[in-house]
Amino acid sequence: DAGVIQSPRHEVTEMGQEVTLRCKPISGHDYLFWYRQTMMRGLELLIYFNNNVPIDDSGMPEDRFSAKMPNASFSTLKIQPSEPRDSAVYFCASSRLAGGGHITGELFFGEGSRLTVL
Amino acid sequence: AQTVTQSQPEMSVQEAETVTLSCTYDTSESDYYLFWYKQPPSRQMILVIRQEAYKQQNATENRFSVNFQKAAKSFSLKISDSQLGDAAMYFCAYRSGSGNTGKLIFGQGTTLQVKP
Repeated sequence: DAGVIQSPRHEVTEMGQEVTLRCKPISGHDYLFWYRQTMMRGLELLIYFNNNVPIDDSGMPEDRFSAKMPNASFSTLKIQPSEPRDSAVYFCASSRLAGGGHITGELFFGEGSRLTVL
Repeated sequence: AQTVTQSQPEMSVQEAETVTLSCTYDTSESDYYLFWYKQPPSRQMILVIRQEAYKQQNATENRFSVNFQKAAKSFSLKISDSQLGDAAMYFCAYRSGSGNTGKLIFGQGTTLQVKP
């Protein structure tokens, strides 16, 4: 499998612009996560989906952030309007828990999207 | 709520030596899973090792092993014969075994420097 695929790898934009980050999870995985990493706050869970349904979005900073998962192979994280404090590395990760029994459920991460908002 | 604490922001080790990274966690659950992830400068998060709480035997993956102390809620990572390529940030993570939440809770990370 190709692993979790994220795009773009790098994004530089100006304050006020809309930013869309994309993610393709590993085929067959039933969970998808969006994390944000900064020096100050470390790794923060923004939102996660189970079978394309948002389960917990309590980590989404504010209404400027939104995430969708229209199907099992695609998710987007959108920031509108973007602000300099949104500058961070955004990770998408997926995992599989379906199947029952003791499944460790480790996350498989994409390479991250580094966002810089000027 | 569960928490994960890594009390060592930075560690260093001489090449070929052994180093241990500390991790403690707080939970009232008995069924859970623990992980160590490595994040090299390339920033890709890579799974190093995993441990199921119901297993008493400590997990081992080549030069990487853990010391899992369930009663003490401690989960340290030992790297033997350290190599330059081990230099990275290491994250400890916890996943609840109940409710099928799937989400991992991460510690703050420990930056490991390997000196030649």
